[in-house]
Amino acid sequence: DGGITQSPKYLFRKEGQNVTLSCEQNLNHDAMYWYRQDPGQGLRLIYYSQIVNDFQKGDIAEGYSVSREKKESFPLTVTSAQKNPTAFYLCASGLAGTGTQYFGPGTRLTVL
Amino acid sequence: GEDVEQSLFLSVREGDSSVINCTYTDSSSTYLYWYKQEPGAGLQLLTYIFSNMDMKQDQRLTVLLNKKDKHLSLRIADTQTGDSAIYFCAESPERSNDYKLSFGAGTTVTVRA
Repeated sequence: DGGITQSPKYLFRKEGQNVTLSCEQNLNHDAMYWYRQDPGQGLRLIYYSQIVNDFQKGDIAEGYSVSREKKESFPLTVTSAQKNPTAFYLCASGLAGTGTQYFGPGTRLTVL
Repeated sequence: GEDVEQSLFLSVREGDSSVINCTYTDSSSTYLYWYKQEPGAGLQLLTYIFSNMDMKQDQRLTVLLNKKDKHLSLRIADTQTGDSAIYFCAESPERSNDYKLSFGAGTTVTVRA
């Protein structure tokens, strides 16, 4: 069963806590991406990675961190430095060298 | 994103055709995409078109591309209630050699009986 999985689907966090969102893919894609979506807005790119052990900041990287130790996995940590973390987070993957991206089901993070 | 613009809302009667419009600014875009998002879900890739094509048809979906005007449209024939969703237009600029996508803000399509 191929695809992109994100966990958990819903996540609640207290202010001041770090939290890590999981993203796994078994599509053998080189590239992986993290986006943030706020109500009524489009997608904003947080971080992306074209290859293992390498990643680049997107448009809104402040307050977030990532790692890419394995091709299949690209976890996102939302740190306490992120001032407004409540949002819907989407992970995507794609073949390096094309723009086509495939999305996971998303994680809704709520800060209490 | 600021490079891709879409109208925010579209209401259509069940059985009619829907047309969702998008304008983009990067004339070097190589691929243009349409994604569908249902409530609480991720984005589903509907279709895409290469910049050297004018039209692409896939079952009920027709994509039209006017490169001169940098205008992309998605037509859904015989619109059904299951087509109610947010539709995103996205471009893959050639200038971006890491193939990042620029997304529009999305068009919310509501299908009424």
